[in-house]
Amino acid sequence: DARVTQTPRHKVTEMGQEVTMRCQPILGHNTVFWYRQTMMQGLELLAYFRNRAPLDDSGMPKDRFSAEMPDATLATLKIQPSEPRDSAVYFCASGSGQGGTDTQYFGPGTRLTVL
Amino acid sequence: QKEVEQDPGPLSVPEGAIVSLNCTYSNSAFQYFMWYRQYSRKGPELLMYTYSSGNKEDGRFTAQVDKSSKYISLFIRDSQPSDSATYLCAMSARVSGANSKLTFGKGITLSVRP
Repeated sequence: DARVTQTPRHKVTEMGQEVTMRCQPILGHNTVFWYRQTMMQGLELLAYFRNRAPLDDSGMPKDRFSAEMPDATLATLKIQPSEPRDSAVYFCASGSGQGGTDTQYFGPGTRLTVL
Repeated sequence: QKEVEQDPGPLSVPEGAIVSLNCTYSNSAFQYFMWYRQYSRKGPELLMYTYSSGNKEDGRFTAQVDKSSKYISLFIRDSQPSDSATYLCAMSARVSGANSKLTFGKGITLSVRP
């Protein structure tokens, strides 16, 4: 059963610390998305990659957030320095674009708390 | 105004009720419409997918799209406690063979009481 995996599942850190979240997309999927979900804003797209190349990161605060895909099996989202307003659930999703759909398969999320 | 607006909820109904969930949108380029279901502390998962206007039925679920009114709906018949979750509408203006980015509604939390 192919799934998107994310680590860590939970992270509590102090303001100013660096946070790195990792995602392993479903094998063979060529598109990877990073989202942030909060009660106030809902699900917001931060960035996405196709064939490991960044396509759109306009939703990401550039001064503190960065997203990369070192290889086809790993995507990372980094926050440096972290702030309390970054507390949210961060989801990674992947898709293949096959079958004429835009189905995105979500991971279980990383629940981040910045104190 | 956000591109996609969804009734905020929450919504609580008795078991067996018919549920209607709705979204409106402003971007006329949207052609693909989806409903995702998200259980507590889980990631969203695709529930229904429709292209352009019309209805699509899958068991107790019916997705309806009215592009002229920029309005989509999800109907749940004979609702069950297991349907209790957050439902998010999502849309895209996909034109190529690869995944396009989706624009999501904020989601509505549904609770079905036994």
